[in-house]
Amino acid sequence: KAGVTQTPRYLIKTRGQQVTLSCSPISGHRSVSWYQQTPGQGLQFLFEYFSETQRNKGNFPGRFSGRQFSNSRSEMNVSTLELGDSALYLCASSTGTSGITDTQYFGPGTRLTVL
Amino acid sequence: AQSVTQLGSHVSVSEGALVLLRCNYSSSVPPYLFWYVQYPNQGLQLLLKYTSAATLVKGINGFEAEFKKSETSFHLTKPSAHMSDAAEYFCAVSGNTNAGKSTFGDGTTLTVKP
Repeated sequence: KAGVTQTPRYLIKTRGQQVTLSCSPISGHRSVSWYQQTPGQGLQFLFEYFSETQRNKGNFPGRFSGRQFSNSRSEMNVSTLELGDSALYLCASSTGTSGITDTQYFGPGTRLTVL
Repeated sequence: AQSVTQLGSHVSVSEGALVLLRCNYSSSVPPYLFWYVQYPNQGLQLLLKYTSAATLVKGINGFEAEFKKSETSFHLTKPSAHMSDAAEYFCAVSGNTNAGKSTFGDGTTLTVKP
């Protein structure tokens, strides 16, 4: 079974631009979560989508948004980029169902650099 | 609300020595607890998870962790460190009934000396 894939792996943008990151979950997984990882703040939860609906949301400004498609693929968008948005953005997929079988599997991440 | 605290941002051990990485959690509901490992420029790989089935959890690569409710701890151990264990380790907690929203600790960088 293929793992979680994220594209692109690396991105360089300038302040004020916007960016879209993509995540393809493991086949059969309906939940996709996004995390931001920075040296200063560590791993921070952005949001989770399940069956095309945002189910959980972290404490990030409205510039960060996402969506999920009917095939469970997810995109994350950041508008009006700031220098502080430079980070590794990780996507994780899981079945999204309750119970002990639910485990998140992470993709390799997208490294975003804002200049 | 849930949180995790990893004690020690850097741990250094000699090859063949015991590895002990500490994690304490706080959760208002019975927690699901996880340990992940991250190698440079890679995503997170699940080492093991606690789901209340057993307090001693065995994971991959010889790692195990013991859930101690009285101490709110979930420390990660490995009897004998290998050079390939050098990486960053994260403890995480999920208070929901699914893993979609996990709260991570700050991470512990493990260095293994030859």
